[in-house]
Amino acid sequence: EIVLTQSPGTLSLSPGERATLSCRASQSVTNTYLAWYQQKPGQAPRLLIYGASNRAPGIPDRFSGSGSGTDFTLTISRLEPADFAVYYCHQYRRSPGTFGHGTKVEIK
Amino acid sequence: QVQLQESGPGLVKPSGTLSLTCAVSGGSISSSDWWSWVRQSPGKGLEWIGEIYHSGSTNYSPSLKSRVTMSVDKSKNQFSLELRSLTAADTAVYYCARPGVTVGNAFDLWGQGTMVTVSS
Repeated sequence: EIVLTQSPGTLSLSPGERATLSCRASQSVTNTYLAWYQQKPGQAPRLLIYGASNRAPGIPDRFSGSGSGTDFTLTISRLEPADFAVYYCHQYRRSPGTFGHGTKVEIK
Repeated sequence: QVQLQESGPGLVKPSGTLSLTCAVSGGSISSSDWWSWVRQSPGKGLEWIGEIYHSGSTNYSPSLKSRVTMSVDKSKNQFSLELRSLTAADTAVYYCARPGVTVGNAFDLWGQGTMVTVSS
C-alpha cells in the first residue's frame, strides 16, 4: 500500500497569501494518478487537481499542482476566504487507492 | 447532470451488518466503468473502501476485504455496500464516488455522504 504523507498538518495564512502544500509518497506514483481535493466542514470532498497538474473543470487558476515520482505540491497563489479548508492528496494508480491525512489551511 | 445519493441506517449495533445504497440519478450507472465507496471517521481523513465495475467485478481494500461485499443493480441504477462484523471503529461518514473518465479516473463526483454510528 502506498502511504501518502502530507505536510504541514496545519497552515496558518492570511487572505491574499500564497499557500504551498506538500504530499510525499512512500513509493513512486505515476503522475497520471495523483489528485488533490478540497473539503469543507459537512461537505464531500471536491476534486481540484487530477493527473498531478490538471485543474478539474470549474476550478480557478489560482490552484495549481506540480510534482512527480514521490513528491507533489498543491499551490494556491492568492488565498481567498473560500479557500480556507482541508486539502487531501490521493493516489489511485495502485489498488488500494490511498489518501493523505490532510492539510488544514486556516485563517491566521 | 449525474448525481449520487447514499441511503441507509444511521445507527447500527456492534457485530451487526451495515447495508448502504448509492442511487445514481441523471444518467446510467453503465455510463461509468467503476463506482467507489470511501469513508471518513470523525475528525479523521479519507479511507478508500473499494470499487465495483458496472458489470459486477470488485476490488476491495485489503484491510476491509474480509468484511466487505459490493454489488450493483442496473435495473435500479444503484450500487450497494455491505460491511459485516461492525465495531465502533466503523463509525464514519460513508461516501459513494465516481472515478471520472474525463479526469483521469480521479473522483470527480461524490454523494453528500451518510453518517453511520456503530453503537448499542
